[in-house]
Amino acid sequence: DAGITQSPRHKVTETGTPVTLRCHQTENHRYMYWYRQDPGHGLRLIHYSYGVKDTDKGEVSDGYSVSRSKTEDFLLTLESATSSQTSVYFCAISKDRAGELFFGEGSRLTVL
Amino acid sequence: QQPVQSPQAVILREGEDAVINCSSSKALYSVHWYRQKHGEAPVFLMILLKGGEQKGHEKISASFNEKKQQSSLYLTASQLSYSGTYFCGTSDSGGGADGLTFGKGTHLIIQP
Repeated sequence: DAGITQSPRHKVTETGTPVTLRCHQTENHRYMYWYRQDPGHGLRLIHYSYGVKDTDKGEVSDGYSVSRSKTEDFLLTLESATSSQTSVYFCAISKDRAGELFFGEGSRLTVL
Repeated sequence: QQPVQSPQAVILREGEDAVINCSSSKALYSVHWYRQKHGEAPVFLMILLKGGEQKGHEKISASFNEKKQQSSLYLTASQLSYSGTYFCGTSDSGGGADGLTFGKGTHLIIQP
């Protein structure tokens, strides 16, 4: 199995508080992605990274920011969490462009 | 724009065959297929690349019609372990690291 871990795995927070989710990989893969999964919507791309300090927006990036200061870590930050950001967040890594994705186990976030 | 998957759900008896379809309105570079079991992360099954190269699971096959921008996943002699939600993910770039756009999923239930 690909070495990819997400933390925290579960979090409950209140509206307006900042939240940071961490994705850590041990595979030295260049590409990293954050997706959110909601019933009826499937997986939607939030942000992605194609190298250290190289990031770009996905289709649902509003309200989210990311950072990648090291190859192995990709952080997703909700500056001021809202109830609409209650979701399961998956990090994924890929060795090659358009290559297979390896997903982390997911982080379930509940915003009250 | 999300690819469209059909059917949304299918119930089969063990040993029966299933076909899951995925279509896009954009010119595709690659189509990926993933399976997700309840409460778990999506797992890679198959990738089909423009030009016909195919890589993936030995017991599951797929096709990619480049002219119609459609892909189909074939599950033959289904087993109980095939149950789950199947997602297609598409890339419409020439290999750029812009992530995959996933369909909303097809729920597959295999009954004994």
